[in-house]
Amino acid sequence: DSGVTQTPKHLITATGQRVTLRCSPRSGDLSVYWYQQSLDQGLQFLIQYYNGEERAKGNILERFSAQQFPDLHSELNLSSLELGDSALYFCASSVDRTGLDTQYFGPGTRLTVL
Amino acid sequence: LAKTTQPISMDSYEGQEVNITCSHNNIATNDYITWYQQFPSQGPRFIIQGYKTKVTNEVASLFIPADRKSSTLSLPRVSLSDTAVYYCLVGNQGGKLIFGQGTELSVKP
Repeated sequence: DSGVTQTPKHLITATGQRVTLRCSPRSGDLSVYWYQQSLDQGLQFLIQYYNGEERAKGNILERFSAQQFPDLHSELNLSSLELGDSALYFCASSVDRTGLDTQYFGPGTRLTVL
Repeated sequence: LAKTTQPISMDSYEGQEVNITCSHNNIATNDYITWYQQFPSQGPRFIIQGYKTKVTNEVASLFIPADRKSSTLSLPRVSLSDTAVYYCLVGNQGGKLIFGQGTELSVKP
């Protein structure tokens, strides 16, 4: 158990809909990262937040957004969903802001868009 | 940022040493190399990180040549429980994080 929790575990929705994925980091970690894992694209870094502020952006679509709240939990919002958004979404957390320290991954949320 | 390339799969037998190489020809001066292990239905788990030469911890070694255009993860005496997907990650303090496609390691008895 990494100490990172993600909810829900599974999510099934339809094209055009909007969903919110939630992540609680390990106690004491200030950085939260979001990743998308699909069969054809592998693990793709989406975005990083550090202590409530956006710190780095990866391959995140404009239809996707994220935020980190004062209690440090984070949410990833996916809107206007397409079939290709079906994937595993992982959240990870770490202590510092650099992105180079050990990241602890949650169990993931499996999103299926029908 | 460096694009990373790994073999898609590798087979080994229990007790053997396994070396998985990742190519990152365009690695930048401030990039670090990290390796993660992932079991089915779980998130990746940190194995080891390095910048140059050799790094060793209790589970693996990481060899990085002087030109840093590749890195090799070495797993000594693998067991069945080492069957997993291994990812190479090249990243820097600028916040960019690039994972390789992953190498599926299968350890047989």
